[in-house]
Amino acid sequence: GQNIDQPTEMTATEGAIVQINCTYQTSGFNGLFWYQQHAGEAPTFLSYNVLDGLEEKGRFSSFLSRSKGYSYLLLKELQMKDSASYLCAAFSGGYNKLIFGAGTRLAVHP
Amino acid sequence: NAGVTQTPKFRVLKTGQSMTLLCAQDMNHEYMYWYRQDPGMGLRLIHYSVGEGTTAKGEVPDGYNVSRLKKQNFLLGLESAAPSQTSVYFCASSFPRVDLTDTQYFGPGTRLTVL
Repeated sequence: GQNIDQPTEMTATEGAIVQINCTYQTSGFNGLFWYQQHAGEAPTFLSYNVLDGLEEKGRFSSFLSRSKGYSYLLLKELQMKDSASYLCAAFSGGYNKLIFGAGTRLAVHP
Repeated sequence: NAGVTQTPKFRVLKTGQSMTLLCAQDMNHEYMYWYRQDPGMGLRLIHYSVGEGTTAKGEVPDGYNVSRLKKQNFLLGLESAAPSQTSVYFCASSFPRVDLTDTQYFGPGTRLTVL
């Protein structure tokens, strides 16, 4: 079957670093995505990993290990505006169809 | 450039009523998708389209129909609404090729309540 698991909730302190993990089992895997979703808003694209290793984009980095079926999103220098849900997603078959995890709700405290 | 737009933003239906949700995109994307998002379950694909005049079933298609008569529009219909269809509905679109800079673009969502 196809499955994506990630923690339900996390909390962190402003200015700190937080790592959100994601494990996946999908058929025809061809890349792992991270989206950010603020409450009541649409998901917005953060990153896409297709090869093993780390992709860095400013304060956000995403890592992929295809052999372990594992990814993480690393958020540095946390800001209050980073309080949101973070969705892990993987390709599911063709036509860019995605299967999503349930999302990790991150709360950043002062 | 409005991106992906959805109408309406909110709707309350009674059980058995019908309605159509409209999605429009101005990015000339080939692929379009309808998802529903429920608490604790993440986004689930209802139907998708890979081009004008084509549609296909996703993970949870029962109770929904779709049409893509024009490339820029993707309609989601509920023929006889049920309380189980209370959800937030998101439309998304993408080019066929995905790269490291972007993938699917999402609309703002439609919050539907079925009483």
